[in-house]
Amino acid sequence: TQLLEQSPQFLSIQEGENLTVYCNSSSVFSSLQWYRQEPGEGPVLLVTVVTGGEVKKLKRLTFQFGDARKDSSLHITAAQPGDTGLYLCAGLTSEGGKLIFGQGTELSVKP
Amino acid sequence: NAGVTQTPKFRVLKTGQSMTLLCAQDMNHEYMYWYRQDPGMGLRLIHYSVGEGTTAKGEVPDGYNVSRLKKQNFLLGLESAAPSQTSVYFCASTPMVLNTEAFFGQGTRLTVV
Repeated sequence: TQLLEQSPQFLSIQEGENLTVYCNSSSVFSSLQWYRQEPGEGPVLLVTVVTGGEVKKLKRLTFQFGDARKDSSLHITAAQPGDTGLYLCAGLTSEGGKLIFGQGTELSVKP
Repeated sequence: NAGVTQTPKFRVLKTGQSMTLLCAQDMNHEYMYWYRQDPGMGLRLIHYSVGEGTTAKGEVPDGYNVSRLKKQNFLLGLESAAPSQTSVYFCASTPMVLNTEAFFGQGTRLTVV
């Protein structure tokens, strides 16, 4: 069974701090995705990483896919209160079309 | 564009009652998914479908059934609701292309008392 483990589960920081969220698996994924979810809404895609070692940047967010394609990280520089939300990693398993998610990281950025 | 629409948005059931949640998408997507979301558990896959007439079990399928009679609709059924099924349910769809975005509905908040 392919699983995605996210850490930390909760993160409370001050505005301006940096943070990193991790998504790990013992299995290889062809790609991993990161979603952000706000209260009362469905998740929305931030990025998809496909190639081992790939780094993608989205303003203050940096996403990395591990060389072995078993893990990914999300780094936020100078966090702002608007970054508050639930961050989820997701991946398609080898079972053809099965899309699974990690447990999520609840981020709170205080002004 | 409507995207993915879930019906109903809220529901309270008594233990033992049955109900069906409807998910409709207007993007001609092949793949559709039902997830449940509980605090600290992320999104757990209940059932999914890779095309009209097909369904498959996800990570937590017990107590749920699904049907995909039409490509645009994916129904999730609870035959005999239990308090453990109190959750927020999300439907999602994607095209049959690798590495593409999953589009989500707004969720259905279900309480079983």
